[in-house]
Amino acid sequence: DVVMTQSPDSLAVSLGERATINCKSSQTVLYSSNNKSYLGWYQQKLGQPPRLLIYWASTRESGVPDRFTGGGSGTDFTLTISSLQAEDVAVYYCQQYYYTPHTFGQGTKLEIK
Amino acid sequence: QVHLVQSGAEVKKPGASVKVSCEASGYMFSNYGVSWVRQAPGQGLEWLGWISGYNGDTIYAQKFQGRVTMTTDTSTSTAYMELRSLISNDTGVYYCTRDRGSLDYWGQGTLVTVSS
Repeated sequence: DVVMTQSPDSLAVSLGERATINCKSSQTVLYSSNNKSYLGWYQQKLGQPPRLLIYWASTRESGVPDRFTGGGSGTDFTLTISSLQAEDVAVYYCQQYYYTPHTFGQGTKLEIK
Repeated sequence: QVHLVQSGAEVKKPGASVKVSCEASGYMFSNYGVSWVRQAPGQGLEWLGWISGYNGDTIYAQKFQGRVTMTTDTSTSTAYMELRSLISNDTGVYYCTRDRGSLDYWGQGTLVTVSS
């Protein structure tokens, strides 16, 4: 199985500051024929199902605030929150959907400093 | 709008089976697949498998092969996930999701508790 490794496991950032979460896959999830990385980012708030934020590594889902940005290609990816808001406190997961099983990272817990 | 509504919480004994339903609305069921994802208490997300809303083709994670069956009823736009030979480690919340590659809509989750 493709292993998705997120870093850090937890992160505390001040309101209004930038937060960056990293995700590394053990194999490339870039499909050369369409130049798309099969990588999504999800936000899970306490007691709620996850919510899709980013797909194709960098495309923002409809309704997601533009302070959320996905980047990277191949095996290395980032999720950046440009100016942290109180409502962004959550656990964030990356997931590859290139290979089956569609594996998730272990999650990164984001808190307010 | 799109909704995925799952069946209610279940309590099962070890060795039993559980079947969770997921009724979809607000979109053409046959145009998308459904993936099932579970989350053990306090843990991360684990993908169990996928079923086509079009023809019922399935892909299961090897970890669950032989123990899981996913089906659909296109007449009611409902997907089902049955997990057999339950053990305590199967305790958790099971989610159905609309799968377009990424998982863009999620059900509310069904808590399955396996306890003697």
